Amino acid sequence: AQSVSQHNHHVILSEAASLELGCNYSYGGTVNLFWYVQYPGQHLQLLLKYFSGDPLVKGIKGFEAEFIKSKFSFNLRKPSVQWSDTAEYFCAVRVYTGGGNKLTFGTGTQLKVEL
Amino acid sequence: GAGVSQSPRYKVAKRGQDVALRCDPISGHVSLFWYQQALGQGPEFLTYFQNEAQLDKSGLPSDRFFAERPEGSVSTLKIQRTQQEDSAVYLCASINRDNEQFFGPGTRLTVL
Repeated sequence: AQSVSQHNHHVILSEAASLELGCNYSYGGTVNLFWYVQYPGQHLQLLLKYFSGDPLVKGIKGFEAEFIKSKFSFNLRKPSVQWSDTAEYFCAVRVYTGGGNKLTFGTGTQLKVEL
Repeated sequence: GAGVSQSPRYKVAKRGQDVALRCDPISGHVSLFWYQQALGQGPEFLTYFQNEAQLDKSGLPSDRFFAERPEGSVSTLKIQRTQQEDSAVYLCASINRDNEQFFGPGTRLTVL
């Protein structure tokens, strides 16, 4: 079965610092990849997704992620974080078997941005 | 409605009690998912519906868990004889034509 690993459980950054959150998955076939964000007190929201094509995908709020197939990775980046980016970030993979759409999530990374 | 809604938002149950959690997906979304999110973990898949058909229930942890979607819209997740290990946030999601899952706010279940 596929699995998703998020290496950093807690990250603390100062405003304007650059962000990179790691995500690795274990599955050798075709996958769709997602990053979700959960702001305090809110529900999960889709940040960005990769299905095919350009491996560098851009999402909302200045976030981007790069799919590196050879490394089974889909790291999330933002050049300059803001205090409002404080949230929990989840990486997720969907195995494209054609028979289902369930997502497998990582354990999440709690990001705190300090002023 | 504008998004996926779930009720109740919070539920406290005594061990052994039955509970029912409701999900209203986004109107027109054919597929609906249930996930369980334990404290400090990511969501874990429970079950999946396409219209009223339950196509995958491989994630249900025991036969005490049961889900239905009789008319292909609203879904109910029922947990019988709740145990303390059932305490978690239960998330519902529906999927659009671009295969993007939209999540509801969840129901936080606490079993005492």
